[in-house]
Amino acid sequence: GQQVMQIPQYQHVQEGEDFTTYCNSSTTLSNIQWYKQRPGGHPVFLIQLVKSGEVKKQKRLTFQFGEAKKNSSLHITATQTTDVGTYFCAGRIDGGTSYGKLTFGQGTILTVHP
Amino acid sequence: GAVVSQHPSWVICKSGTSVKIECRSLDFQATTMFWYRQFPKQSLMLMATSNEGSKATYEQGVEKDKFLINHASLTLSTLTVTSAHPEDSSFYICSARDLLKTSTDTQYFGPGTRLTVL
Repeated sequence: GQQVMQIPQYQHVQEGEDFTTYCNSSTTLSNIQWYKQRPGGHPVFLIQLVKSGEVKKQKRLTFQFGEAKKNSSLHITATQTTDVGTYFCAGRIDGGTSYGKLTFGQGTILTVHP
Repeated sequence: GAVVSQHPSWVICKSGTSVKIECRSLDFQATTMFWYRQFPKQSLMLMATSNEGSKATYEQGVEKDKFLINHASLTLSTLTVTSAHPEDSSFYICSARDLLKTSTDTQYFGPGTRLTVL
């Protein structure tokens, strides 16, 4: 079936180090979104990418959407302890229905050691 | 803006009973709401899509008679877990799409409901 794979599953970094999580789809995506879920919390929307090759930045976070619209990445520069949480990518498969069903990646659990 | 509430936040029930979980969009209208299930340290598994005024669309493998969904208004969807068993224990999260933001697939998530079936 249609899948969105995300790696790595876990990432442990020292505060100040960079962090990257990657998302790959078996099929072309209409768009991709990134969410952050803090421990014990619920997913919070970070950003949506729509265009092929699109790059967006939010302070220390950089989001990229691949040229083929099948992969994406989230890069955090100089991590802080507040970055701790699980980062999910979620994609809408091209040709999906109009109600916006998303397929979520498995998530990357980020821990930051002070 | 874009706040989604869920009630209750946690519930403990006996095996065989039914539990109703409410999902409300507080400051926007949502024709579509989604119900997910999440196990510890795992991803969100979509259970069903709730459509206002029509029947819900269930994902493969999800029993529609066990997980009853009702989307009675543009701001409320309910999930009823019928005849709950210990294996139904999980974190249930709803999300909603803003009716007015048709150009985006952004989903706004509720805080989740922790269900424990004894």
